[in-house]
Amino acid sequence: DSGVTQTPKHLITATGQRVTLRCSPRSGDLSVYWYQQSLDQGLQFLIQYYNGEERAKGNILERFSAQQFPDLHSELNLSSLELGDSALYFCASSVVAGTHYTQYFGPGTRLTVL
Amino acid sequence: GQQVMQIPQYQHVQEGEDFTTYCNSSTTLSNIQWYKQRPGGHPVFLIQLVKSGEVKKQKRLTFQFGEAKKNSSLHITATQTTDVGTYFCAGRGNEKLTFGTGTRLTIIP
Repeated sequence: DSGVTQTPKHLITATGQRVTLRCSPRSGDLSVYWYQQSLDQGLQFLIQYYNGEERAKGNILERFSAQQFPDLHSELNLSSLELGDSALYFCASSVVAGTHYTQYFGPGTRLTVL
Repeated sequence: GQQVMQIPQYQHVQEGEDFTTYCNSSTTLSNIQWYKQRPGGHPVFLIQLVKSGEVKKQKRLTFQFGEAKKNSSLHITATQTTDVGTYFCAGRGNEKLTFGTGTRLTIIP
């Protein structure tokens, strides 16, 4: 158990819909990252937040957005869903101390778009 | 942008054989991390390498960071069924950690 929690575990929805994925980082971690992992694919970095502010952006679509709240939990919003958005979405957290940090991954949310 | 490639993409080995995965970055890295993802699981941090030419060992696993800090390798000696999974390297340049494409290891008992 990494200490990072993600809800829901599974999500099934239809094309065109909007969903929200939630992540709670490890206690004490200020940074949250979101990744997308499609079937048999690597980890695609989407976005990073640090203490409530956006820190880095990866290959995140305009239909996707995220935020980190004052209690440090984060939400990833996916809208106008397409079949290709079906994937595992991981959240990770880290302390971000200097240039050396480890990312701790949550169990992921499996999104299926029908 | 920064790209991190891993080879091979897949590797099937007989239990007891050795296994190596290689990671190459298009840019110089400040550090490199390795993660393991078991089937159906999430990536789990294994180790971080920071210094040029650094070599670290964890039991049967040996990690190496290249002299130019642009490549890395993970070697597993005498594989066991518990080694099954996908191994990712992740290189840090600028502010972002870029994950490699991963090597999926399958063990034949």
